Amino acid sequence: DVKVTQSSRYLVKRTGEKVFLECVQDMDHENMFWYRQDPGLGLRLIYFSYDVKMKEKGDIPEGYSVSREKKERFSLILESASTNQTSMYLCASSFRAWYAGNTIYFGEGSWLTVV
Amino acid sequence: SQQGEEDPQALSIQEGENATMNCSYKTSINNLQWYRQNSGRGLVHLILIRSNEREKHSGRLRVTLDTSKKSSSLLITASRAADTASYFCATDLQGGSEKLVFGKGMKLTVNP
Repeated sequence: DVKVTQSSRYLVKRTGEKVFLECVQDMDHENMFWYRQDPGLGLRLIYFSYDVKMKEKGDIPEGYSVSREKKERFSLILESASTNQTSMYLCASSFRAWYAGNTIYFGEGSWLTVV
Repeated sequence: SQQGEEDPQALSIQEGENATMNCSYKTSINNLQWYRQNSGRGLVHLILIRSNEREKHSGRLRVTLDTSKKSSSLLITASRAADTASYFCATDLQGGSEKLVFGKGMKLTVNP
């Protein structure tokens, strides 16, 4: 089975702190994603990576950066956490689209509270 | 940018009844997928239907796609309390996008 593992399930951070959310997948997927999920807003894409060291901004990249130094690992970085970044963060991965229909596999989510 | 919109936003039914959820989208797609999310967990892929398909079945799930109306429906037959979850439709964008765009989700409650 595909496994997408997010390192932290629950985090509480202070305003202004630098926050790292780590994600690892074990299926040799090319694509990796970070989504944010908020009530009433659904899932919104923050960043997408289609290869090592390659990234694309999603719909809401402001206040976030990402790092993909190895194929299996995709990190989301909040340079200076703010209270409006309190949310559930979901990491996901997939093969390249065409032959696989780009089914996405999700991690269990990381609940981040910024106080 | 939201592409898919699920309807209704919430549905409550009794065990054994069928549940139908609808999804409308705005632009042409290659395929449409349905995902399920149990409370506080990640999303799990349920079924994918390609733009050249009209209907697809998987166990108790039946998905239809009408590209002329830009809409899809997910039918869960003989529902169970364990089907209680949020359901999301997701679309890619015709023309080669690697990214899926998710709707806001629909909450299904199946009462025992």
